[in-house]
Amino acid sequence: DIQMTQSPSSLSASIGDRVTITCRASQGINNFLAWFQQKPGKAPKSLIYAASSLQSGVPSKFSGSGSGTDFTLTITSLQPEDFATYYCQQYYTYPQTFGGGTKVEIK
Amino acid sequence: QVQLVESGGGVVQPGRSLRLSCAASGFNLSSYGMHWVRQAPGKGLGWVAVIWYDGSNKYYADSVKGRFTISRDNSKNTLYLQMNSLRAEDTAVYYCARDRSGSSSRSLDYWGLGALVTVSS
Repeated sequence: DIQMTQSPSSLSASIGDRVTITCRASQGINNFLAWFQQKPGKAPKSLIYAASSLQSGVPSKFSGSGSGTDFTLTITSLQPEDFATYYCQQYYTYPQTFGGGTKVEIK
Repeated sequence: QVQLVESGGGVVQPGRSLRLSCAASGFNLSSYGMHWVRQAPGKGLGWVAVIWYDGSNKYYADSVKGRFTISRDNSKNTLYLQMNSLRAEDTAVYYCARDRSGSSSRSLDYWGLGALVTVSS
């Protein structure tokens, strides 16, 4: 199975900050990488697919990059509604696998 | 608008069975692959299974292979997850989610609200 490693596992940031989360795959996955946002008690929400394509309706403050084994999710101008847990997921092969998550908290 | 609503969750004893349903609306279910993803209390997301648009291919996580069966009835716009020989470690919220593709996965775009399954004696 492909292992997905996210870092950091948590971070504290202030309103207006720019935040970057990284995700590393244990083997190459081309650009078959998605990012999800999850708030407490809620279902995950799609943000990014194909490493850098923005899900319809998601603001452009979210952006993704990378290919192969290393990927990043960047959030600019952090707002209160952005404080959540973020997950990466590879869908290059089955079983699909998720990263462990990055919890973004208010400093 | 796209809606996915899970049902069938509850408390079940170890070794028993449970079937989850996911009712789809706002889109043509027969055109899309569908997944189940679970989340144990306080833990991260775990992929469970996928079924292609026509039911021709199914894939499972190793942890559920041989115990869980994913199926669909496109005429009823419903996805199912039959869970047998349940274990305490199967306790989780189970989400159904739509794939952007009917066959080879292009990632998940819409998710249901989830159904809680608790395996306990």
